[in-house]
Amino acid sequence: AQSVTQLDSQVPVFEEAPVELRCNYSSSVSVYLFWYVQYPNQGLQLLLKYLSGSTLVKGINGFEAEFNKSQTSFHLRKPSVHISDTAEYFCAVSGSGGSYIPTFGRGTSLIVHP
Amino acid sequence: GAGVSQSPRYKVAKRGQDVALRCDPISGHVSLFWYQQALGQGPEFLTYFQNEAQLDKSGLPSDRFFAERPEGSVSTLKIQRTQQEDSAVYLCASSATGTGGYGYTFGSGTRLTVV
Repeated sequence: AQSVTQLDSQVPVFEEAPVELRCNYSSSVSVYLFWYVQYPNQGLQLLLKYLSGSTLVKGINGFEAEFNKSQTSFHLRKPSVHISDTAEYFCAVSGSGGSYIPTFGRGTSLIVHP
Repeated sequence: GAGVSQSPRYKVAKRGQDVALRCDPISGHVSLFWYQQALGQGPEFLTYFQNEAQLDKSGLPSDRFFAERPEGSVSTLKIQRTQQEDSAVYLCASSATGTGGYGYTFGSGTRLTVV
């Protein structure tokens, strides 16, 4: 079985400040890791994914995430946020060696203030 | 098509009514997933198809929920005798491979409200 914990339900931040959204996972097999963004009344859009190789993954809109196997974490970061980054962010894990069905966290609401 | 298309976008059903939600995945995508997203929650897995075969339906909450993908492309999620707790956004996702290693493309969802 696999699970995802997003430690913060809401993260408020001022525009142009850096942000980190935390994600921890548990799995008994090797994993693929994903971050998705969801804007109001829309589906989920893939921000970035980790499959293998370099532990630092760069995605769209200036986001990046680092896979840390020893800490079972995959935190999402952006050095300078914009108002338009206000959205819900979901971390997901799927088992690369077992179940390929992604399991999602409960989400973190990023609120960017001017 | 260019993306995953879901219809209808919004559905209001009276309690006890049957509903059918449609998902049109990206052409050629092998895998298709249905998720249920309650308000303020993350998506919860319902069921998974690889082509026309339903390989996993462990997430379906009751026998009132039924999904099919008869020709390996379009999928329908049917909910019989809807109840208020079925109110949620139902998301469909597709993936080019059976392993999901290239990510999953989501539709915009169907928001079901049971009154």
